[in-house]
Amino acid sequence: AQSVAQPEDQVNVAEGNPLTVKCTYSVSGNPYLFWYVQYPNRGLQFLLKYITGDNLVKGSYGFEAEFNKSQTSFHLKKPSALVSDSALYFCAVRDTGWMDSSYKLIFGSGTRLLVRP
Amino acid sequence: DTEVTQTPKHLVMGMTNKKSLKCEQHMGHRAMYWYKQKAKKPPELMFVYSYEKLSINESVPSRFSPECPNSSLLNLHLHALQPEDSALYLCASSQEWTSGGNEQFFGPGTRLTVL
Repeated sequence: AQSVAQPEDQVNVAEGNPLTVKCTYSVSGNPYLFWYVQYPNRGLQFLLKYITGDNLVKGSYGFEAEFNKSQTSFHLKKPSALVSDSALYFCAVRDTGWMDSSYKLIFGSGTRLLVRP
Repeated sequence: DTEVTQTPKHLVMGMTNKKSLKCEQHMGHRAMYWYKQKAKKPPELMFVYSYEKLSINESVPSRFSPECPNSSLLNLHLHALQPEDSALYLCASSQEWTSGGNEQFFGPGTRLTVL
């Protein structure tokens, strides 16, 4: 079965410092990986995805993620954190066995990012 | 228009009430989803509609009844809910995977409180 793990419940970083939010995956077949961010009492906002191609994926708001097949990881990174980046971050993988028209996302447990001024 | 809208933003209902949540998208997506999310937890998939047909029901109790009147609209009818059903209900949509869109677009959610 497909799964993703986010080993850290919370990540603390000072504003201006680089940040990393970790995600590891377990899939059969090709992994299709996503990062979403959720601000309090809001829906999920798409940040970036890895489908195929370059291992370094660039996304919204200056975020990027590195796909590492040998380590089965897809860590989210940003060179310089902002206080406004403080939110809940979810890694997700597309489940297998779905048709082209729809699919199920399997989410990690989420990581709370706290950027202090 | 690249957004999913949901109404109402907040809903408080008693256990004997009947209410409905509404979701709308005008991106031409043919898949629409309902998720339930408890505080600080990941979203849990409830239902999937594909081309206006229910394709997945993730063992959701019958007090939740989805409806897809057309390709842009998705409703969730609520009846005889329990306090443990209080949560943020999220709607999402996506286009066909091979069209290249891939990601699911989420609405802002409806915060439901059952008294």
